[in-house]
Amino acid sequence: KQEVTQIPAALSVPEGENLVLNCSFTDSAIYNLQWFRQDPGKGLTSLLLIQSSQREQTSGRLNASLDKSSGRSTLYIAASQPGDSATYLCAVKRNDMRFGAGTRLTVKP
Amino acid sequence: DGGITQSPKYLFRKEGQNVTLSCEQNLNHDAMYWYRQDPGQGLRLIYYSQIVNDFQKGDIAEGYSVSREKKESFPLTVTSAQKNPTAFYLCASSMGRQETQYFGPGTRLLVL
Repeated sequence: KQEVTQIPAALSVPEGENLVLNCSFTDSAIYNLQWFRQDPGKGLTSLLLIQSSQREQTSGRLNASLDKSSGRSTLYIAASQPGDSATYLCAVKRNDMRFGAGTRLTVKP
Repeated sequence: DGGITQSPKYLFRKEGQNVTLSCEQNLNHDAMYWYRQDPGQGLRLIYYSQIVNDFQKGDIAEGYSVSREKKESFPLTVTSAQKNPTAFYLCASSMGRQETQYFGPGTRLLVL
């Protein structure tokens, strides 16, 4: 059964810092990997989707990479802002989506 | 506006009571999903439906039931058999089962 782990569980950084969130998964036979953002008490917003044949995707200050063979993905956030404070979840998809527990990010002004 | 709506935002359940959570989408998506989210845990799949009048159990279907009579609607009933229903419930939809899922705003269920 696919297991998805996100480290760290929580992260606090000063504004302007570049940061990396990590996601690992146990079964490399995936169709795609997706990073989501979740604000407190809200639904999930898709940030980036990486197909299994791709190595990375970029959107603005966000860059996600995928190393399927090692079962790892990273989400890089450049020049962090207080508005980036949220929980970030990764999910891998084969037949179903399997989610990590998320990393709760706080960016301090 | 196209999107997914869930209601109510908060729901309170008494002991032994069945409650129904609403999920509606106007994205013309074929597939719809229900997830449960508990603090410190990832989302877990309760049920999913790929077409009208068809649905499949996910990992934690016990104590829940669903129906899919219309393409736009996928209500979830939390039955009295679900002994620990307090959680945040998220509905999602996608064009097909392999496509990107879009999420609703969620319903928080609390037990009185």
